[in-house]
Amino acid sequence: EAGVVQSPRYKIIEKKQPVAFWCNPISGHNTLYWYLQNLGQGPELLIRYENEEAVDDSQLPKDRFSAERLKGVDSTLKIQPAELGDSAVYLCASSKEGYYEQYFGPGTRLTVT
Amino acid sequence: GQQVMQIPQYQHVQEGEDFTTYCNSSTTLSNIQWYKQRPGGHPVFLIQLVKSGEVKKQKRLTFQFGEAKKNSSLHITATQTTDVGTYFCAGGLHNTDKLIFGTGTRLQVFP
Repeated sequence: EAGVVQSPRYKIIEKKQPVAFWCNPISGHNTLYWYLQNLGQGPELLIRYENEEAVDDSQLPKDRFSAERLKGVDSTLKIQPAELGDSAVYLCASSKEGYYEQYFGPGTRLTVT
Repeated sequence: GQQVMQIPQYQHVQEGEDFTTYCNSSTTLSNIQWYKQRPGGHPVFLIQLVKSGEVKKQKRLTFQFGEAKKNSSLHITATQTTDVGTYFCAGGLHNTDKLIFGTGTRLQVFP
């Protein structure tokens, strides 16, 4: 069984530029999560999807961040414009349903210069 | 807001020594999950505990969920260099499927 796929693995951009991350969850997993992880800290939830519906986006900075999961499968997270403080690892995870264990992708390491 | 704290933040042990990390929540949890993240890697699920006072074992790892469902612990017996990484607990909030990840304990094992 293939794991959670994320791309790109690394991204370096200048501040004020846009950036997008892509995630393909494990087949059959209805719940998809986007997390932000700063160095030395635990993952912090940005948004959670149940199928194509965003059920928890309370931590998503909506002035610059947006996400979509149009067909309830893969998802895209966008930042526009990026700020220096957005440098972090962006993790995508999926689970069968919200209550169960989460499977994480390798993450995208974003560096904003 | 809800917080999940872990202690210690760091632990350095000699190979063969035991290791314990403690997880404490400010609120009662519906369940607790534990994840391990190797350096440069991503979190990997270890186990989920649901019942008050539950204890589960995986080889050298023992997981406990407190009676009040507000704390948990992970104990590793006779650590090995392969145990190196950061261990995160993640608490499930009642009436939601949201997980709050703890602050993590970074384990270093010296051969």
